[in-house]
Amino acid sequence: QKEVEQDPGPLSVPEGAIVSLNCTYSNSAFQYFMWYRQYSRKGPELLMYTYSSGNKEDGRFTAQVDKSSKYISLFIRDSQPSDSATYLCAMSGTTSGTYKYIFGTGTRLKVLA
Amino acid sequence: DTGVSQNPRHKITKRGQNVTFRCDPISEHNRLYWYRQTLGQGPEFLTYFQNEAQLEKSRLLSDRFSAERPKGSFSTLEIQRTEQGDSAMYLCASSPGLGLDTQYFGPGTRLTVL
Repeated sequence: QKEVEQDPGPLSVPEGAIVSLNCTYSNSAFQYFMWYRQYSRKGPELLMYTYSSGNKEDGRFTAQVDKSSKYISLFIRDSQPSDSATYLCAMSGTTSGTYKYIFGTGTRLKVLA
Repeated sequence: DTGVSQNPRHKITKRGQNVTFRCDPISEHNRLYWYRQTLGQGPEFLTYFQNEAQLEKSRLLSDRFSAERPKGSFSTLEIQRTEQGDSAMYLCASSPGLGLDTQYFGPGTRLTVL
């Protein structure tokens, strides 16, 4: 079993829809949670990060962390065709002094005009 | 532009050749990371540096791979005797180096081994 599980999609939605992207994880030592957006053949671009359980909002994006369920989500409101990309969740923890990120496989999102 | 830069952006080589990639981190970022990403997968950690010290290496980093960060600035990743299985996107990231902090990625170097 992978430490971080993410549905690869693809996920197709109409423009203006609310998108929900999710990851589950197995390592309770994870403390830091990130979402990256990656366009085809480009490097990952940071969208959101959070250290704690609860919600964090930034414009059309909301990140949600539930440590008790080991579940994180990213919500995109009023989705646009320009949001079409692969969304990667990433996690990190320091129980062994490492700062590396563990990534999910990424979810491919397509927003249809 | 003050982001992470990587060169070259693309590299095509024949099996058995050596290749070297360069990463220039964001100025004053103490940590530098290398990841590898294959099609349909998320990035996988290879190694990281705190200043010039290489503090962790993944078991993915076989003896054919070596990374350096002289003087704690840019870093190089060398692959010797390339194999077709080395074909991937090699990503570099940097972070300030303060506890659990945020990594910023470069555009990547896409390696194709024929």
